[in-house]
Amino acid sequence: ETGVTQTPRHLVMGMTNKKSLKCEQHLGHNAMYWYKQSAKKPLELMFVYSLEERVENNSVPSRFSPECPNSSHLFLHLHTLQPEDSALYLCASSQDVGKKTQYFGPGTRLLVL
Amino acid sequence: GENVEQHPSTLSVQEGDSAVIKCTYSDSASNYFPWYKQELGKGPQLIIDIRSNVGEKKDQRIAVTLNKTAKHFSLHITETQPEDSAVYFCAASRDTGFQKLVFGTGTRLLVSP
Repeated sequence: ETGVTQTPRHLVMGMTNKKSLKCEQHLGHNAMYWYKQSAKKPLELMFVYSLEERVENNSVPSRFSPECPNSSHLFLHLHTLQPEDSALYLCASSQDVGKKTQYFGPGTRLLVL
Repeated sequence: GENVEQHPSTLSVQEGDSAVIKCTYSDSASNYFPWYKQELGKGPQLIIDIRSNVGEKKDQRIAVTLNKTAKHFSLHITETQPEDSAVYFCAASRDTGFQKLVFGTGTRLLVSP
C-alpha cells in the first residue's frame, strides 16, 4: 500500500445530494492533491494544499469544495453534482509541493445519477 | 502550458516480449519525467522517473530514456509478464517550485500468457 487511504471507495449519489470524500495520508507529507480521472482523458489536477493552505485551484466548479483541516487529512465536499462529474477521484500526497514524487490513494469511484 | 502526448493508447504483447510506450512534451523547461502504473481498482503507482540530467535510467526490467532535444521520453519493459498488465501514464513537470505534473492519456498494456 502507498500510505494514502480514501473513503468511500464507491459512491452513488443523486444530483441533489451532498456527500464528502475523505483522504488520509500516513507518510508525514506536507502537500496533498485532488485529481479527477475520467476515461480516455489525462488526470486533471483539481486542488493542491500545502501545509493546509490551498495553493492551486484549477478552475474547478464551486459544486466541489475542498477542505484540509490538517496536513494528514483532505476532504472533497460535493453538492448538486452533474452526471458528467462521474469519475474516479484520486487523492495524492508528496513531501511538499516542490517534490514531484506523488503517492496516490486507490480513489473513490463516483457515479452521479 | 505543458502538453503531454502518449502513444499507443493500447498495446498487446506476448509474455516475454518487450513493450515500449512513448511520450512527447511541449515545454522545453520541463525536467522531471515520472512513469506511473495503474492496476485495476488501484491508484497510479510511481514505477520509475528520470530527470533531465541523465538520458537513461534502468530498474530491473524497466528502463526510461529521455531525448531532450526531441522532447520525448519512453518507457521500456523487457521480458514482460502477465502482472505487467495495467495502464501506464507518463507525466512531465519542471522540477522547481510548484509546477504541476501534466499527465499523458495513458496506455493500456495487455500481456498475454
